[in-house]
Amino acid sequence: DVKVTQSSRYLVKRTGEKVFLECVQDMDHENMFWYRQDPGLGLRLIYFSYDVKMKEKGDIPEGYSVSREKKERFSLILESASTNQTSMYLCASTSSSGVQGPYEQYFGPGTRLTVT
Amino acid sequence: AQTVTQSQPEMSVQEAETVTLSCTYDTSESDYYLFWYKQPPSRQMILVIRQEAYKQQNATENRFSVNFQKAAKSFSLKISDSQLGDAAMYFCAYRSYQGAQKLVFGQGTRLTINP
Repeated sequence: DVKVTQSSRYLVKRTGEKVFLECVQDMDHENMFWYRQDPGLGLRLIYFSYDVKMKEKGDIPEGYSVSREKKERFSLILESASTNQTSMYLCASTSSSGVQGPYEQYFGPGTRLTVT
Repeated sequence: AQTVTQSQPEMSVQEAETVTLSCTYDTSESDYYLFWYKQPPSRQMILVIRQEAYKQQNATENRFSVNFQKAAKSFSLKISDSQLGDAAMYFCAYRSYQGAQKLVFGQGTRLTINP
């Protein structure tokens, strides 16, 4: 089974702190994604990566950056956390080959981040 | 840019009954994928069903089926014989056939199953 794990289920940080959210997948997937989930807004794409050291902005990249030094790991960085970044963050991965079915994305359990 | 709209923030159904969740989308592309994802309370998001736009036949997975109307840009999910374990947030999502594999999600529908 594909497994996507995230470093924390719950995180509380103070305004201005630098925050790291880690995501690891064990299926050798090329593509990895960071989404933000807010009530009434669904999931919105922050950043994605289709290869090591490659990244592309999603729909709401402002205030975030990412790092992908190894294929299995994709990190989301909040350079200076703000209260409007309080949210649920979901990581996902998918294969480029479609071997596991047409490009199904596999999700991690999510990190609920509170910035006070 | 593509958009996905789920107009029902909440739905409820009696156990064993049938419920339909609505989804509409907007795109200028002719080839794409559509998905329904389920997010149970405090659990991971999982894929329920997928539909390739070039297939005319509606996808079915056990008690879950879709009504895909390409011209109307509509993609509803029907859950038959609803079970307590079906209670979850359901998200409709769109993915382009070519290019980046990012998903565009709707706002979600919270489904409650009444025993």
